[in-house]
Amino acid sequence: EIVLTQSPGTLPLSPGERATLSCRASQSVGSNSLAWYQQNPGQAPRLLIYGASSRATGIPDRFSGSGSGTDFTLTISRLEPEDFAVYFCLQYGSSRNTFGGGTKVEIK
Amino acid sequence: QVLLVQSGAEVKKPGSSVKVSCKASGGAFTSYSFTWVRQAPGQGLEWMGGIIPFFGPPNYAQKFQGRATITADHFTSTAYMELSSLTSEDTAVYYCSTTGGAYYYGSGSYLSGRDYWGQGTLVTVSS
Repeated sequence: EIVLTQSPGTLPLSPGERATLSCRASQSVGSNSLAWYQQNPGQAPRLLIYGASSRATGIPDRFSGSGSGTDFTLTISRLEPEDFAVYFCLQYGSSRNTFGGGTKVEIK
Repeated sequence: QVLLVQSGAEVKKPGSSVKVSCKASGGAFTSYSFTWVRQAPGQGLEWMGGIIPFFGPPNYAQKFQGRATITADHFTSTAYMELSSLTSEDTAVYYCSTTGGAYYYGSGSYLSGRDYWGQGTLVTVSS
């Protein structure tokens, strides 16, 4: 199974700042099949990015994804108050999908 | 608009089994793939397994191979996840999810640009 390692574990930032989240895979992710999810407490995950760089339906353009192979990045250009949450990457390039451990973006 | 409604919370004894259901509406269920994801209290998301209709047997994360069983009943538009030999470490919220398409892996996934999740089912394992 592909292991995804997210960093940092916690990212303290202020509203309006730029957030850069990393997701590194233990082996190449097929077809750049990498998604990013946002999760707030008590809620189901919300899809932000799929195919490494395609924004999901209804997702604001301040969210962007990049990367290929084993290194992927989620960037939030200017943090809004509602963006402080936990973010997970998911690889779906193989029949056994795997999630990363998550990055918590918190208010500094 | 696809809607997934899961069965209610469960309290189970260690060593027993639990079966969680996920009823789909609002779309062509027979063409949907489904995945099951769980989240232990205060922990991250854990992919358990997935099924593609009429394609072959389900796939499971190595950790759940032999202990989880994922099925789908197309007559009732319902997917199921059964987990056996429960321990306290299985206490978690269990989610079903679909992309509304036929695949949950590879470039054929997320063709609609979105996915759908059930509301989650809390399973508590306690003696």
